[in-house]
Amino acid sequence: DVKVTQSSRYLVKRTGEKVFLECVQDMDHENMFWYRQDPGLGLRLIYFSYDVKMKEKGDIPEGYSVSREKKERFSLILESASTNQTSMYLCASSPPRQSLNYGYTFGSGTRLTVV
Amino acid sequence: AQSVSQHNHHVILSEAASLELGCNYSYGGTVNLFWYVQYPGQHLQLLLKYFSGDPLVKGIKGFEAEFIKSKFSFNLRKPSVQWSDTAEYFCAVNGPPTSGGSYIPTFGRGTSLIVHP
Repeated sequence: DVKVTQSSRYLVKRTGEKVFLECVQDMDHENMFWYRQDPGLGLRLIYFSYDVKMKEKGDIPEGYSVSREKKERFSLILESASTNQTSMYLCASSPPRQSLNYGYTFGSGTRLTVV
Repeated sequence: AQSVSQHNHHVILSEAASLELGCNYSYGGTVNLFWYVQYPGQHLQLLLKYFSGDPLVKGIKGFEAEFIKSKFSFNLRKPSVQWSDTAEYFCAVNGPPTSGGSYIPTFGRGTSLIVHP
């Protein structure tokens, strides 16, 4: 089975800090995604990447950036954390971008609290 | 652009009751459809998916979903729920492709299901 590992389960950071959320997948998937999950809002796409060094903005990219230097690793960066970025962050991966019929494998999530 | 609507935000049932969770989407072209489940404290898991063929799809744990193209719907059903089905359920739809050719799923807002023993 594909495994998607997020480095931290819980994080508490201060307003203004630069925050790195790390995600690693072990099945050579081309696509990787970062979502945030908030009650009543479901999952909202922040950024995704379909290849090394390639990225596209999702629905809510403001205040975030990403890095994909290696195929297996996709990092989400909060340049200057704010309290409205307190949320559950989910990483996911999937096979090639032209494929319609693949589901996504999700990591366990990182619950970030910004104080 | 794609939008996905889940009409029921909170559903409370007793064990053995039947379940139907609604999901409608907006894009009229080729789509793939998914239901994901998130049990308390666990990560999102794929419950079932439709990409072609028989519009009635069977998934894990006795769940099924029916794709009705004319209604842009993909409703999730289970004839008899159990306490262990308590979870949050998300409908997701792939399509249309982005300008870069990527198929990115759009998720509904989720339905919280509570099953009383």
